[in-house]
Amino acid sequence: GENVEQHPSTLSVQEGDSAVIKCTYSDSASNYFPWYKQELGKGPQLIIDIRSNVGEKKDQRIAVTLNKTAKHFSLHITETQPEDSAVYFCAASNRATGFQKLVFGTGTRLLVSP
Amino acid sequence: DTGVSQDPRHKITKRGQNVTFRCDPISEHNRLYWYRQTLGQGPEFLTYFQNEAQLEKSRLLSDRFSAERPKGSFSTLEIQRTEQGDSAMYLCASSLSTSDSYEQYFGPGTRLTVT
Repeated sequence: GENVEQHPSTLSVQEGDSAVIKCTYSDSASNYFPWYKQELGKGPQLIIDIRSNVGEKKDQRIAVTLNKTAKHFSLHITETQPEDSAVYFCAASNRATGFQKLVFGTGTRLLVSP
Repeated sequence: DTGVSQDPRHKITKRGQNVTFRCDPISEHNRLYWYRQTLGQGPEFLTYFQNEAQLEKSRLLSDRFSAERPKGSFSTLEIQRTEQGDSAMYLCASSLSTSDSYEQYFGPGTRLTVT
C-alpha cells in the first residue's frame, strides 16, 4: 500500500521567512495530494491541494509543487506569520478504485517566532 | 456553522466500557470517513461510507469497532469493550462524490481517553 514520508518533523523560522515542508510517496498511482493544517485541539484543515496533472499550484502565501517522476511534493509558505504556527500534514490518495482514502505523513510542527 | 460536527468532543471511559461517537457531515456531502489519530502521528483511515453503504474498512478496525450511517446522513462509531490502546482522537471527514471533487473536510474530532 501507499506510504508517505514527511520531513522535517519540526521547523522553526522567524516571522517573514519562508518555510518548506517535503513529502515523498511510494505508490506511483497516487494522483491527489492535499495539505492540511492542524492547530492544537482542532481537526485538520485543508489548506491547498494538487492533482497529478499539475506541477505547481499557488494560493496567496502558500504553494505546492509536485514532481511525479521523483514521487515527491512540497509545501512552500512565504512571509510566514505567527498564526502559521501549527502542525502540517501532507497526504496522498489514489482514485483508481473510485474512492479517496487519504494516507497521511507524520506531520511537521512549524513554529514561527515573532 | 455548516462544517462537519462531532459529538462529544471529549470522552473519558474506563477500560471495558462501550462508547459511541457521532458525526454530522456537511449537509450535501454523500461520502463520510472515519480516521483515528494518535499523538504525534497523522490520521489513519478506519472506514468510509458512500451514502448509507459502508464500502471499505481498514484492518485497524477490529471486530470491537462498528460504524453505521443508517440514513446516509449522520454516522456513529461504536467501540465495544474499550482498551487503553483505543485512546486517540477519532476524526470524521466528509466529501462530495463527483468526478471533479476530491476534497475531504474534517470535523474537530472526539478525543477518547481510556483509563
